[in-house]
Amino acid sequence: DADVTQTPRNRITKTGKRIMLECSQTKGHDRMYWYRQDPGLGLRLIYYSFDVKDINKGEISDGYSVSRQAQAKFSLSLESAIPNQTALYFCATSDNSGRAEETQYFGPGTRLLVL
Amino acid sequence: AQSVTQLGSHVSVSEGALVLLRCNYSSSVPPYLFWYVQYPNQGLQLLLKYTTGATLVKGINGFEAEFKKSETSFHLTKPSAHMSDAAEYFCAVSAKNSGYALNFGKGTSLLVTP
Repeated sequence: DADVTQTPRNRITKTGKRIMLECSQTKGHDRMYWYRQDPGLGLRLIYYSFDVKDINKGEISDGYSVSRQAQAKFSLSLESAIPNQTALYFCATSDNSGRAEETQYFGPGTRLLVL
Repeated sequence: AQSVTQLGSHVSVSEGALVLLRCNYSSSVPPYLFWYVQYPNQGLQLLLKYTTGATLVKGINGFEAEFKKSETSFHLTKPSAHMSDAAEYFCAVSAKNSGYALNFGKGTSLLVTP
């Protein structure tokens, strides 16, 4: 079984709808991250969380919110989806050492299309 | 702030030829640098990373990268390309001001031709 899973893998929604993307991990890591990938732009950080009670905004948090329901679960919500939120979304985790050199482990991604 | 720049959004090589993907970094402190690979319809997988110590870093699948402080570079190489190397490659730096999240370059798409 994969260590970092994301659901759904693909989603089509309409402008104005609220949607939630979910991420679960079995690695026992405290740190979790949400990124979005756009062609030609690489990955950009949306939100990150050090633990259940510590959530922080990233570079592009406007229009998004997150929930850390448990150590293993980190959800990303689009309260009112808009077409420019069409992208590939990745969840990632890293271990608890808090060191800069720690590897991040990525989920398979959720491909979102907003019509 | 730490950032990286990847030179060349698309690189094409022949099977068996040298692969060279370029990455330059900008950092006011010693950087921690990473190369990730993304195969079609998959997530990102770590190829290698530079932390401290040896400047030549060996990774998976025959890839390696050399940290050159004087050139602020961390280029990724592989002596002989294989068809299975076709993928998107991302250089990234660990950003202390965002919980050590990664600041990614824009990516380089590697095409390997027969």
